[in-house]
Amino acid sequence: QVQLVESGGGVVQPGGSLRLSCSVSGFTFSHYGMNWVRQAPGKGLEWVASIRYDGTNKHYADSVKGRFTISRDDSKNMLFLQMNSLRPEDTAVIYCVKDLGNHGSSLGFGHWGQGTLVTVSS
Amino acid sequence: DIVMTQTPLSLPVTPGEPASISCRSSQDLLDSDDGNTYLEWYLQKPGQSPQLLIYMLSYRASGVPDRFSGSGSGTDFTLTISRVEAEDVGLYYCMQRVAFPFTFGPGTKVEIK
Repeated sequence: QVQLVESGGGVVQPGGSLRLSCSVSGFTFSHYGMNWVRQAPGKGLEWVASIRYDGTNKHYADSVKGRFTISRDDSKNMLFLQMNSLRPEDTAVIYCVKDLGNHGSSLGFGHWGQGTLVTVSS
Repeated sequence: DIVMTQTPLSLPVTPGEPASISCRSSQDLLDSDDGNTYLEWYLQKPGQSPQLLIYMLSYRASGVPDRFSGSGSGTDFTLTISRVEAEDVGLYYCMQRVAFPFTFGPGTKVEIK
C-alpha cells in the first residue's frame, strides 16, 4: 500500500535551514505529482508547495516563495523540501502529500504522510 | 488568491441525524477549459493526518462511505453527511485547486452532542 514517511524535522533557530525528506513506497513515484502541506499548532491546513510528476513545474505559497524549494529524486523515490531563512511563523507539522491522479491529473491530495514537526525558535 | 470560508465553524451533531457544512469561495471554481469544478473536502480525525473525502466537487474518494456527498456550483458548496456516525467527528476542510495557490477553508469542527 501507499506509504509516505517524512523525516528531517526538528528545532531550528530563526534564520536557519532544514531539509525535509519524504520516502515513498507502494506506487510508481515518477507518475505522481507531490506536495507539501503544513499545519501550525492548533491551526488549519496551509498548502506549501507542489511539484509536477515530471518535475517540470513547481509552485509555492507566497508565504514561502524564495525561501523554500521543493524537489524530487525519482531514482530514490524521495521528495524533498529545502527550507531556508526560517521564521517562527514557519513552526508547523509538515505533511508529505501524494496527488490522487497520475500524470498531471489534478484530482486531490490522495495520500498523506504522518507529518514531521518543524519548530523555529531561539 | 482565492479565499475560502466555511460555516459553521463548529457543528454539534446527533448520531443518525443528517449534517451539512457550507463552503464559499471568493471566485468561481469552475475550470472553463475542462468543465470541472475543483473543490475538495478533507477530514482530519483527532490525532490523525487529513484524508480526502470528496474531489472535483462530488466524487467520493476510494473507501469513503456513501453517506458523504458533495454538491454545489460556482462559489457555493456543501458537504452533506446523510446519517452521522460517531467516527465522523473531526475537522472538515474545503479546499480549492482551480488555481495556485491552493487554499483551504478555516475548518469546521464536528463533534457529537
